[in-house]
Amino acid sequence: DAGVIQSPRHEVTEMGQEVTLRCKPISGHNSLFWYRQTMMRGLELLIYFNNNVPIDDSGMPEDRFSAKMPNASFSTLKIQPSEPRDSAVYFCASSFGTISNQPQHFGDGTRLSIL
Amino acid sequence: KQEVTQIPAALSVPEGENLVLNCSFTDSAIYNLQWFRQDPGKGLTSLLLIQSSQREQTSGRLNASLDKSSGRSTLYIAASQPGDSATYLCAVMEGGSEKLVFGKGTKLTVNP
Repeated sequence: DAGVIQSPRHEVTEMGQEVTLRCKPISGHNSLFWYRQTMMRGLELLIYFNNNVPIDDSGMPEDRFSAKMPNASFSTLKIQPSEPRDSAVYFCASSFGTISNQPQHFGDGTRLSIL
Repeated sequence: KQEVTQIPAALSVPEGENLVLNCSFTDSAIYNLQWFRQDPGKGLTSLLLIQSSQREQTSGRLNASLDKSSGRSTLYIAASQPGDSATYLCAVMEGGSEKLVFGKGTKLTVNP
């Protein structure tokens, strides 16, 4: 079975540009999570969806960040405009169930560098 | 606010040694605790999940324990191998939410 698929794997862009990260969750999973990982802060939850509906976006750093899940098989995380401090590895994860004892399955991440 | 701490931040051991990684959390109102492994340039792989009502879980050479009242968990790795070299992360799922709060991890190096 295919795991969580993220694209692109690497993104380098100049500050001020719009960045769009993409995620395809595991088929049949109904929860989707976006995380950001940095050396300083570790792994932080940005937002999660259940059945395509955003449930908790309290981790989204500011209005420059937005996330959508138009259907059960696709989600995007958008940064506009991007800033150098947004440089990090962004992970998408999915799981089955709602507040269940099912583990989250992670993609390989998108390494984002904002110059 | 839930905080998860992992000690030590890094650990280097010779092959074959048994070892223990530690995780502590500040709020005992958790739904479950999960241990993950992260290899360089990769995502996280789930190793063990302990439900709040459980005391331990085992998978092969790995054993994880949970003491919810004291806010502690340990991951025991038996007969370590070079292939075990990775960063190990502990995370707690808060009650009433699917939100995972992660520690910063322990970077393990097993030397041949």
